[in-house]
Amino acid sequence: AQKITQTQPGMFVQEKEAVTLDCTYDTSDPSYGLFWYKQPSSGEMIFLIYQGSYDQQNATEGRYSLNFQKARKSANLVISASQLGDSAMYFCAMREGFGNEKLTFGTGTRLTIIP
Amino acid sequence: NAGVTQTPKFRILKIGQSMTLQCTQDMNHNYMYWYRQDPGMGLKLIYYSVGAGITDKGEVPNGYNVSRSTTEDFPLRLELAAPSQTSVYFCASRPIINRERGEKLFFGSGTQLSVL
Repeated sequence: AQKITQTQPGMFVQEKEAVTLDCTYDTSDPSYGLFWYKQPSSGEMIFLIYQGSYDQQNATEGRYSLNFQKARKSANLVISASQLGDSAMYFCAMREGFGNEKLTFGTGTRLTIIP
Repeated sequence: NAGVTQTPKFRILKIGQSMTLQCTQDMNHNYMYWYRQDPGMGLKLIYYSVGAGITDKGEVPNGYNVSRSTTEDFPLRLELAAPSQTSVYFCASRPIINRERGEKLFFGSGTQLSVL
């Protein structure tokens, strides 16, 4: 089974609208961390947001929020008021267990913001 | 504000050649990583290091070697390059866990390698 599943290969969203990028994960470890990274066309990986499995509240970072539904094993990224500069690939990733240095990445979602 | 610096940015190798991808960071981070990204895929961990003198294998270590003689540098060595090693390689680093910021990785800009 895939550890991280991103079911939306591509999305087109009108500028200034909110957008939700889906991510589901699979782990039996009670301790894990979930991440979202952005990869613009220039290629670098940019950290957006982090959610720990024991965190009680959904993580937020500016226009980014993580809709963490533990029972459903989903960690969707919500971008409010989208901007043209949000056009990029978005990767969901997971670290399982304490002291595990491996991040498992999903295959990504290409988001295109339409003016 | 150099952060994580990777060289070279692009390289073409012939099958069987060897090369070293350089990675250096100036943030005094203990943890460093090498990932590869194949077309249309997410990143996969090749090797990582939790401090100078300590390295360990990731998910896809075959065909690669690393060393960590200093905190700053974490070079990745490709021996006997093969077409399957055509990929984009990312170096990353992070400090010891900071709860307020999460376990954020700082990435370099990547090295695009083609083996022909």
